[in-house]
Amino acid sequence: AQSVAQPEDQVNVAEGNPLTVKCTYSVSGNPYLFWYVQYPNRGLQFLLKYITGDNLVKGSYGFEAEFNKSQTSFHLKKPSALVSDSALYFCAVRPPESGAGSYQLTFGKGTKLSVIP
Amino acid sequence: GAGVSQSPSNKVTEKGKDVELRCDPISGHTALYWYRQRLGQGLEFLIYFQGNSAPDKSGLPSDRFSAERTGESVSTLTIQRTQQEDSAVYLCASSLGRRETQYFGPGTRLLVL
Repeated sequence: AQSVAQPEDQVNVAEGNPLTVKCTYSVSGNPYLFWYVQYPNRGLQFLLKYITGDNLVKGSYGFEAEFNKSQTSFHLKKPSALVSDSALYFCAVRPPESGAGSYQLTFGKGTKLSVIP
Repeated sequence: GAGVSQSPSNKVTEKGKDVELRCDPISGHTALYWYRQRLGQGLEFLIYFQGNSAPDKSGLPSDRFSAERTGESVSTLTIQRTQQEDSAVYLCASSLGRRETQYFGPGTRLLVL
């Protein structure tokens, strides 16, 4: 069974500084990896995904994520944080193979990002 | 185009009552998913619909939970004899196909008193 760990419940960063939100995963085979963001009282918004190819994936709002197979990690990054980036961030994984459950996303528990002005 | 919509946005009910939650997927999306998000937790998969295939109900927590989907359109999630432990945000997502990116609705916040 696949699993996702987001080791930090909360990350605080000053506006303008780079930010990193950590994610590690466990899945059989090569994973499909996703990041979603959730603003208060809103649904999840898709940020980016890794399927194959370049390990550095660029997504919405200036976010990017780096896939590291040896470390089974998919950390979310942004070079310069904005106050408006403050939200709850979820990492998710899906196994690539066909078959039962291969479409199910398994989510981490989320990391609350606070960008301090 | 329009995103995934869900109704109601909030629902307060009494323990033991039945509730029905609705999801309108993005037009043309054949796959539809329901997830549950408890306070401070990640999302738990509940059920998956793909076209006319039999749904995958493996995530439903009990037989009080059921869901239907009419063709490739609206889906309803029904919870019978609600319990306080059912209080959560119920999120619906849809995708072009089973292996495509899932796009989420705003969710229904359910509170069982």
